[in-house]
Amino acid sequence: GQNIDQPTEMTATEGAIVQINCTYQTSGFNGLFWYQQHAGEAPTFLSYNVLDGLEEKGRFSSFLSRSKGYSYLLLKELQMKDSASYLCAVTDSNYQLIWGAGTKLIIKP
Amino acid sequence: TAGITQAPTSQILAAGRSMTLRCTQDMRHNAMYWYRQDLGLGLRLIHYSNTAGTTGKGEVPDGYSVSRANTDDFPLTLASAVPSQTSVYFCASSDSRTGGPFPGELFFGEGSRLTVL
Repeated sequence: GQNIDQPTEMTATEGAIVQINCTYQTSGFNGLFWYQQHAGEAPTFLSYNVLDGLEEKGRFSSFLSRSKGYSYLLLKELQMKDSASYLCAVTDSNYQLIWGAGTKLIIKP
Repeated sequence: TAGITQAPTSQILAAGRSMTLRCTQDMRHNAMYWYRQDLGLGLRLIHYSNTAGTTGKGEVPDGYSVSRANTDDFPLTLASAVPSQTSVYFCASSDSRTGGPFPGELFFGEGSRLTVL
């Protein structure tokens, strides 16, 4: 079956760095997305990786290793507003999006 | 900019009743989707539409129907609601320039919280 695994919850300190991992097993691969979702709100797009390597966008970076079925989202200089759930999603060979359950990130002062 | 508008934002519904969740987008995106989000589970696709006039079934289509009469509107209907349909429903759209199923970046509405008693 198809599967996306992410930690359920993580805690980090304001100003620090946190890495949220995502591993996947899907039938084919056509790209990996990261979305941010604040409590009670809609998911919003953060990043897209289709080739191996690191994509940097401001304080957020996303890494992909297709051979390992692995990605991570790196958040630097954490701010309280980064408290949210982070959703990993993979596009499979049929171009369907398979979603992970999300990682709830709690930022402490 | 409105983006995607969903209505209602929340609703309590008696089991057995019918309900239509409305979704309208103003971005002229060709593809639209309905997801449900339940605690501890990833977003699950209910139905999708790659272009006006066509619809397809997602992962959990049973008990739901959709229509896509034009580009902007994509309503989701529950013909006879059951308690297991209690969930948060998200409508989304994407600009699939290839004309195929590739979703690209999804733009989500604010969600409709439905409780079936």
